[in-house]
Amino acid sequence: NAGVTQTPKFRILKIGQSMTLQCTQDMNHNYMYWYRQDPGMGLKLIYYSVGAGITDKGEVPNGYNVSRSTTEDFPLRLELAAPSQTSVYFCASSYGPPGTLFYEQYFGPGTRLTVT
Amino acid sequence: QKEVEQDPGPLSVPEGAIVSLNCTYSNSAFQYFMWYRQYSRKGPELLMYTYSSGNKEDGRFTAQVDKSSKYISLFIRDSQPSDSATYLCAMSATGGFKTIFGAGTRLFVKA
Repeated sequence: NAGVTQTPKFRILKIGQSMTLQCTQDMNHNYMYWYRQDPGMGLKLIYYSVGAGITDKGEVPNGYNVSRSTTEDFPLRLELAAPSQTSVYFCASSYGPPGTLFYEQYFGPGTRLTVT
Repeated sequence: QKEVEQDPGPLSVPEGAIVSLNCTYSNSAFQYFMWYRQYSRKGPELLMYTYSSGNKEDGRFTAQVDKSSKYISLFIRDSQPSDSATYLCAMSATGGFKTIFGAGTRLFVKA
């Protein structure tokens, strides 16, 4: 049982390049999330998914896209990378949604992205 | 005003000390309160999850919620060097997908 896995661990992008951050969970969770964490700031929700084929925007979605074709995978796509997207990105999953007693989130190890 | 305020520290204590970590919040709709531990260059790990007001204890950790004061606390008894990490508070309301995280408090426990 690997939990939530993310690839790559580190990446340096040039301005304007695109990339996909991969996230996979093996806990059969319906709910998955993408966050970014900037120094001195709390985690900010980028996108979330309530099941395969269903995604929605979080607090800071601009410049990102997601898809959810399977229960296990929830990739995050960065289009036209900008320096403001330099951050640490975390994927998470949970059995239930926020605001319920089943909302225990399991986080992946993170992807450190630098855009120069 | 931020919805959640958390002192970033760093907080440095000797081994064996009782540690008190705190957050204040402004949104009275929050009912679910969480504490996460995050080691350097790792993902957050859920430590405590409480609903509404009151206390919850798990081993050396006690979470306390005072909704009347909009104040939550995490106490760590008999602190160990392995407790050195950043502790994030988080909270959410029923309905919606809004979870607000504090910025985190860095804790150092000296042997």
